Amino acid sequence: QLQLQESGPGLVKPSETLSLTCTVSGGSISSSSYSWGWIRQPPGKGLECIGSIYYSGSTYYNPSLKSRVTISVDTSKNQFSLKLSSVTAADTAVYYCARGVEHWGQGTLVTVSS
Amino acid sequence: EIVMTQSPATLSVSPGERATLSCRASQSVSSNLAWYQQKPGQAPRLLIYGASTRATGIPARFSGSGSGTEFTLTISSLQSEDFAVYYCHQYNNWPRTFGQGTRLEIK
Repeated sequence: QLQLQESGPGLVKPSETLSLTCTVSGGSISSSSYSWGWIRQPPGKGLECIGSIYYSGSTYYNPSLKSRVTISVDTSKNQFSLKLSSVTAADTAVYYCARGVEHWGQGTLVTVSS
Repeated sequence: EIVMTQSPATLSVSPGERATLSCRASQSVSSNLAWYQQKPGQAPRLLIYGASTRATGIPARFSGSGSGTEFTLTISSLQSEDFAVYYCHQYNNWPRTFGQGTRLEIK
């Protein structure tokens, strides 16, 4: 059974870089059939796609975040990662990793505050 | 960017009754449309993908229909565990986008 688990700091200071990792178990991240992505949800608000990466290395980023986002894959660890630079309080959210549309992690709350 | 608009924002329905939720896309997304259910403190759960295919383990009372720009999620006989927020999601174009959600509450 495929499982995804987000990990990373729960508190990030303004202007710093948010870094999260998604560890995949029960399946290989090297599968060419799926996208591996990040979605976020500010407290009490809706869902926003941040971006995705495919096994080919192709990446797709939300234009509203593109200048600050990097998504990468580490096949040796069966993980993929999110980096979001120059964060502000508006980046406070629950961050989810996902495979395609079906499998999501449980989410991790990241608060941006000094 | 494709804008997904859900209606109504809140729907009040009695247990055992039918609920119909709507989602409209600002341009065609073909059948690349998913529906999610989200309960407080939980990750969204996939209900429907491909506009009308139930995800694994989803009860038959959930059904999806539509293509292009107009989509519907129907819950045929509401159970207590169905009261939640529902989101539609297009994955036809980048950036992928979600509707703002419909809150399904007990009448």
